[in-house]
Amino acid sequence: GAVVSQHPSWVICKSGTSVKIECRSLDFQATTMFWYRQFPKQSLMLMATSNEGSKATYEQGVEKDKFLINHASLTLSTLTVTSAHPEDSSFYICSARMTSGVNNEQFFGPGTRLTVL
Amino acid sequence: AQKVTQAQTEISVVEKEDVTLDCVYETRDTTYYLFWYKQPPSGELVFLIRRNSFDEQNEISGRYSWNFQKSTSSFNFTITASQVVDSAVYFCAPSLTPTSGTYKYIFGTGTRLKVLA
Repeated sequence: GAVVSQHPSWVICKSGTSVKIECRSLDFQATTMFWYRQFPKQSLMLMATSNEGSKATYEQGVEKDKFLINHASLTLSTLTVTSAHPEDSSFYICSARMTSGVNNEQFFGPGTRLTVL
Repeated sequence: AQKVTQAQTEISVVEKEDVTLDCVYETRDTTYYLFWYKQPPSGELVFLIRRNSFDEQNEISGRYSWNFQKSTSSFNFTITASQVVDSAVYFCAPSLTPTSGTYKYIFGTGTRLKVLA
């Protein structure tokens, strides 16, 4: 149980284009989902917290107009990187917390590797 | 400010040796949960252990054990009889309350473990 999927697992795009990454909780409902970014040999950095039916909360320094987050249902959150540039190339990881969770545990997706040419 | 320190950047051990990974954190929360994750080269985070702050009994689960000391805000993780497959980056991640908003993980910088055959 508690499986989270991400799609796509990897994507290569041209500079200036937009890329959408999906995060789905497959067997549970998730009121809250999180988006992280990880650069090579670094730790995970939280980008934003997404709550179903409301606006995402972005961490300091993360451009909300560049990284659009939509959490339209209890099982799906999407991250859209708009006008992507090479410096946006990174490993993006989502996680989901059960609506009925009691210990704040997050369940992580397998990650999406984005390369912007 | 909340902060997680994993002082060991990289550790190399020979197979079958025991290895302890250190984690120290800062928080004003009185109750919280603590987690350890493993990130193999594939990138997907693997859940290892979960601990709550109001139970300081240390436990063993297979080759894994942990030592939680609330008084010193430390949550160390030990692998007994290490194996080559244990080679990965290990992250300590307390789930803490920010100034405003929901509980979220504060990831440490990670410790890269190399187990040599």
